Amino acid sequence: ESLLTQSPGTLSLSPGERATLSCRPRQTISSTTIAWYQHKAGQAPRLLIYGASTRATGTPDRFSGSGSGTDFTLTISRLEPEDSAVYYCQQNDASFGPGTKLEI
Amino acid sequence: EVQLVESGGGLVQPGGSLRLSCAASGLRFGSYWMNWVRQAPGKGLEWVAKINQDESEIYYADSVRGRFTISRDNAKKSLFLQMSSLRAEDTAVYYCAGSGVPYGSDMWGLGTVVTVSS
Repeated sequence: ESLLTQSPGTLSLSPGERATLSCRPRQTISSTTIAWYQHKAGQAPRLLIYGASTRATGTPDRFSGSGSGTDFTLTISRLEPEDSAVYYCQQNDASFGPGTKLEI
Repeated sequence: EVQLVESGGGLVQPGGSLRLSCAASGLRFGSYWMNWVRQAPGKGLEWVAKINQDESEIYYADSVRGRFTISRDNAKKSLFLQMSSLRAEDTAVYYCAGSGVPYGSDMWGLGTVVTVSS
């Protein structure tokens, strides 16, 4: 069983809208250990955010991370069709959450 | 350009063994923590194992501890995953990933497919 829960399981939005993805660890953790990934079918996962809020190299500023303790959020503004993917949070460069499927 | 290229996947019978390799180029391989991550068909990402720069720290997921062994050869810029006592539930795409930032893997290979079936 994952140490992280993610919600919603699936999110369907339109281009230009904002997506809010939640990641909740079972217990309080340091925000430095939270990362977010984007994974499209047939491709390698891509690191978007690390340290809960630091964008990885090449991550557009439409993607932002926030949160602390047991409540972390990935926000994607001005959604584009290419943002369709599964998004995972990860703790401590180890345990992954179950993922949120985003459909644009 | 950073490249991680996995190899060694294939079809193996339950109870069998397989050794995966990951060849790195374009990076100072010996400077990074390295990970194996897998994705079973229709499932999400699952972290498998990680190893620090000098092999002094190694961690495994509960699902593979005692059956899988992660190792590395910094001189050859290679990461390995020795898998034994394989089960059907080990069937997955196995990714090699490197941690160039704190608590995050920012370098990934394209994966190698492991199928455990009789």
